[in-house]
Amino acid sequence: KNQVEQSPQSLIILEGKNCTLQCNYTVSPFSNLRWYKQDTGRGPVSLTIMTFSENTKSNGRYTATLDADTKQSSLHITASQLSDSASYICVVRGRGSNDYKLSFGAGTTVTVRA
Amino acid sequence: GAVVSQHPSWVICKSGTSVKIECRSLDFQATTMFWYRQFPKQSLMLMATSNEGSKATYEQGVEKDKFLINHASLTLSTLTVTSAHPEDSSFYICSARDPDRVEADTQYFGPGTRLTVL
Repeated sequence: KNQVEQSPQSLIILEGKNCTLQCNYTVSPFSNLRWYKQDTGRGPVSLTIMTFSENTKSNGRYTATLDADTKQSSLHITASQLSDSASYICVVRGRGSNDYKLSFGAGTTVTVRA
Repeated sequence: GAVVSQHPSWVICKSGTSVKIECRSLDFQATTMFWYRQFPKQSLMLMATSNEGSKATYEQGVEKDKFLINHASLTLSTLTVTSAHPEDSSFYICSARDPDRVEADTQYFGPGTRLTVL
């Protein structure tokens, strides 16, 4: 079973609207959580990173939240633009002997329509 | 920011041939690089960790004799898919760590290489 679960699998929104993506994880102990944006046929690009003590982090119109107690994170996209159409991937890094191994969610595919 | 490139961006080959994919860190020295494979609508799956000057560490289930990894310099790692078969068709993505950055565990991803084996 994947240690990082994302929902929804995909969503369609109208340009200018907001949306929220969810990420639940079971990775423990936890080091940090990142949200990546992956355009079709491209590599992932980091949007935000949060450690255990951080509850929220913003990057322009992207705002990520983290609840380390419930092991949940969300990514909120404000005033969506056509260029926001992409896959958004939640990635969790644990702590321990395999420090650099990351657990990837399957991603949420966002389609923004005019 | 840290830039990682991959070459080629896409390749089509016949079954049984070998294909080499290059991963370069353009503006930093990467002691550690990672190779991932991604199938459609699935998450990235780590194949191996490549350390400069030493043998790569492969994930369980990844055939090291089929996926040859060479990390001969601090800026270049190569993945060679030997005797490729149609089931090897996938999107291959590399990433690299910049140990000099404050967030030293950050992995910077390349743009990926689409491999299609006929």
